Amino acid sequence: EPEVTQTPSHQVTQMGQEVILRCVPISNHLYFYWYRQILGQKVEFLVSFYNNEISEKSEIFDDQFSVERPDGSNFTLKIRSTKLEDSAMYFCASRPKHLQGRGAEAFFGQGTRLTVV
Amino acid sequence: AQTVTQSQPEMSVQEAETVTLSCTYDTSESDYYLFWYKQPPSRQMILVIRQEAYKQQNATENRFSVNFQKAAKSFSLKISDSQLGDAAMYFCAYNRGGSEKLVFGKGTKLTVNP
Repeated sequence: EPEVTQTPSHQVTQMGQEVILRCVPISNHLYFYWYRQILGQKVEFLVSFYNNEISEKSEIFDDQFSVERPDGSNFTLKIRSTKLEDSAMYFCASRPKHLQGRGAEAFFGQGTRLTVV
Repeated sequence: AQTVTQSQPEMSVQEAETVTLSCTYDTSESDYYLFWYKQPPSRQMILVIRQEAYKQQNATENRFSVNFQKAAKSFSLKISDSQLGDAAMYFCAYNRGGSEKLVFGKGTKLTVNP
């Protein structure tokens, strides 16, 4: 069964460094998402991406964050200058267009645990 | 802002028994969707069941069913004939119609005892 895959599973980075989290959505999906979960807290929406542009973003998704679909298969989240509070599990998700009318039902990856030291 | 509350951080159930996980939400919208996602240890979240707010009938998927009380803004998940493979973190989520954003609760960790 097709899955959303994320790499790496765990990344450690120094504060102030740039980090890129990578995701391969399911191949016929058209909507892409990033969520994050700080340890012990709720899963929080960051951004949605459709038709090569951001369709919705949260207040968390500030200028330090950017998303890109560089080659038609990968979907990346870049954090320009990481802070300690960016340490979290980051989930990528996707959904096909034909699920419109069923709400933002999404298929999730396993997550990348980002640790900022 | 919409919020989702799961008041049970942990629950346990005996294999073959029934368990109910609670979820309440707060919204002023009339067009919305509710979801239960399951996240087994070290695996991705998978959708268990979905409910459209405009549907009065409670959704059912095999052993999983919901009790959707729209006026009370309650959306509980019932798992019947619990199996060991049901052990996971369960997240309740809300989506306003027309938005791409899922709003999650904090989750309930379900343990299934043999």
